[in-house]
Amino acid sequence: EPEVTQTPSHQVTQMGQEVILRCVPISNHLYFYWYRQILGQKVEFLVSFYNNEISEKSEIFDDQFSVERPDGSNFTLKIRSTKLEDSAMYFCASSAFPGGYTFGSGTRLTVV
Amino acid sequence: SQELEQSPQSLIVQEGKNLTINCTSSKTLYGLYWYKQKYGEGLIFLMMLQKGGEEKSHEKITAKLDEKKQQSSLHITASQPSHAGIYLCGASGAGSYQLTFGKGTKLSVIP
Repeated sequence: EPEVTQTPSHQVTQMGQEVILRCVPISNHLYFYWYRQILGQKVEFLVSFYNNEISEKSEIFDDQFSVERPDGSNFTLKIRSTKLEDSAMYFCASSAFPGGYTFGSGTRLTVV
Repeated sequence: SQELEQSPQSLIVQEGKNLTINCTSSKTLYGLYWYKQKYGEGLIFLMMLQKGGEEKSHEKITAKLDEKKQQSSLHITASQPSHAGIYLCGASGAGSYQLTFGKGTKLSVIP
C-alpha cells in the first residue's frame, strides 16, 4: 500500500539552527500538508500546499517556517532558526483530493 | 474556530468487551475523520464520514456521523489488545482543507 515517507525519524538540533524536514508524498497525490504535535498535546495544522503554492496556513506557521516542493517527489518543511518550543513531532500528509489524508510516521524534532 | 471534544479521555477495557468513543464538534461537521495513533508514532487512517447518518465499518470498528448533533461515535466490538492506542477524531470546516483534531482517547485493552 502506498505510504508517505518522512526523514529523518528523529532529529536533534541546537537552538538557533536551521532544520529541514523531508517528506515524500504518495506519487499521484496533489495536496500536501504539515502538522505538528507537541508532546502530550493535540495534533495541530501548520500548512497546506497545492499547485506549488501555500493554500492555507495557521498562526503557528510564521516567517520562521517555509515549505517547498523542490522536485516532483519531495516536500520539505524548513524552520530557519529553531526555538526550544519548536520541539515536537512533525507529520507530513498528502491526499489526492482535499481532506483525504494519508499521514507519514513523523519526524521527532528535539531542539536543545 | 472549530473545537472537537472527545470523550472519554481514557478508557481501560477487558479484552472481548465493546466500547464507544465520542467526538463532539462546536461547529457543523463537513467531514469527520478517525485516526489511530500509537504513542510517539504516526496517524493511521481508520475512516472518513461526510454525510449525516453515514455509518462505516472496518473489521470490528464502526463509526457513525450524527450531523444534527455535530457528533461522531466510534464503536469497537469485542476489543482486542491490538486495538490499544490513542484514537483521534479530526474535522474539516467549510471550504477548508485543514483538519482540527480532538485531544484523543487513550484506549487500553487488558488481556
